[in-house]
Amino acid sequence: QVQLQEWGPGLVKPSETLSLTCTVSGYSISSGYYWAWVRQSPGKGLEWIGSIYYTGTTFHNPSLQSRVTVTVDTSKNQFSLRVKSVSAADTAIYYCVRQWHHWGQGTLVTVSS
Amino acid sequence: DIQMTQSPSSLSASVGDRVTITCQASQDISNYLNWYQQKPGKAPNLLIGDASNLETGVPPRFSGSGYGTDFSLTISSLQPEDIATYYCQQYNNLPQTFGQGTKVEFK
Repeated sequence: QVQLQEWGPGLVKPSETLSLTCTVSGYSISSGYYWAWVRQSPGKGLEWIGSIYYTGTTFHNPSLQSRVTVTVDTSKNQFSLRVKSVSAADTAIYYCVRQWHHWGQGTLVTVSS
Repeated sequence: DIQMTQSPSSLSASVGDRVTITCQASQDISNYLNWYQQKPGKAPNLLIGDASNLETGVPPRFSGSGYGTDFSLTISSLQPEDIATYYCQQYNNLPQTFGQGTKVEFK
């Protein structure tokens, strides 16, 4: 079955870059669907960050667009998220998603010095 | 951005009760609406897509309805395993946006 797993540092310093990768198993990213990043924080609830198609076509939330990069590596069956210039407001659980049926378990990222 | 407003924000009910959660969009989203169930420490789980299509494996006591700006999720007979937070999400326009959630608890 389709499984997604996020991985990356759980602690990031303010002003630095948050980097996460999602490894997909049980399905080839190149076979289709959009692949998304969603985050959840107590203050802002669920927030869509951005989505990517295997061709590299991306869409981002305008509230984050200037700081966010979503990329895909079909050879590794992975997609990734980078958020630059983070602050405490970026502290959240980050989920990778195969829109919208399959979600990773989520990974907590804390922004703190 | 399209604002999704859920009500109530929380509710208390008993086993066997009929429970209805509403979701209002700030503009017409056709039927491009998902409903999710989220239990503590878990990712959201898609229950209903396209406003009324029950996902495979979801018990038939769950149903969704609505079109345009007004939507609802109904649990016909609340079961203990239904205690969770429920979210709506519109995917008609970018950015895709979620409601703030409705927490369902036992009375």
